[in-house]
Amino acid sequence: AQSVTQLGSHVSVSEGALVLLRCNYSSSVPPYLFWYVQYPNQGLQLLLKYTSAATLVKGINGFEAEFKKSETSFHLTKPSAHMSDAAEYFCAVSVAPGNQFYFGTGTSLTVIP
Amino acid sequence: GAVVSQHPSWVICKSGTSVKIECRSLDFQATTMFWYRQFPKQSLMLMATSNEGSKATYEQGVEKDKFLINHASLTLSTLTVTSAHPEDSSFYICSARPRDTEAFFGQGTRLTVV
Repeated sequence: AQSVTQLGSHVSVSEGALVLLRCNYSSSVPPYLFWYVQYPNQGLQLLLKYTSAATLVKGINGFEAEFKKSETSFHLTKPSAHMSDAAEYFCAVSVAPGNQFYFGTGTSLTVIP
Repeated sequence: GAVVSQHPSWVICKSGTSVKIECRSLDFQATTMFWYRQFPKQSLMLMATSNEGSKATYEQGVEKDKFLINHASLTLSTLTVTSAHPEDSSFYICSARPRDTEAFFGQGTRLTVV
């Protein structure tokens, strides 16, 4: 079975500060890992994905994430937060083409001016 | 990236009526689509997997007679909430995977039952 745990349901950072959103996964087989962002009353937008290629993955809007198998982690980072980054972020895992996604409980990011 | 379009984006209906939500893949064919439900400030809960030309697969605890799913073509899946009640009010999101990897999501539908 697959699962994702996101530590911290709410994260607040100052504008310009480092953003770190944590995600740990559980999977019995090599996983595909994803980060999605959701703005209020909207669907999910893909930020980045890991699909067994490079362990450091760069995404849109300056976000990146590193796959660490030894730690079963896939934390999302951004060097400098912008006000527009305030949103809900979801980590997700999938294990095979066509299989469903398993989502974490989400982390709400607040950026303080 | 691929586009998944969901309609309507919001709907208000009276208790006891039925509501249909459409999910279309605009630039790819989707043999499988997924329907999720999201409560305020919570994650997405998979309701069912919609398979083109066959019956949908429902997750445990999801009433198949209440949430009717039809996947009549490779680009369209519909979710019908039958005899809606206020507790069915929620945000419903569909998704599809055009390739082996990432899923693309519709814009979501905000359903309010009054």
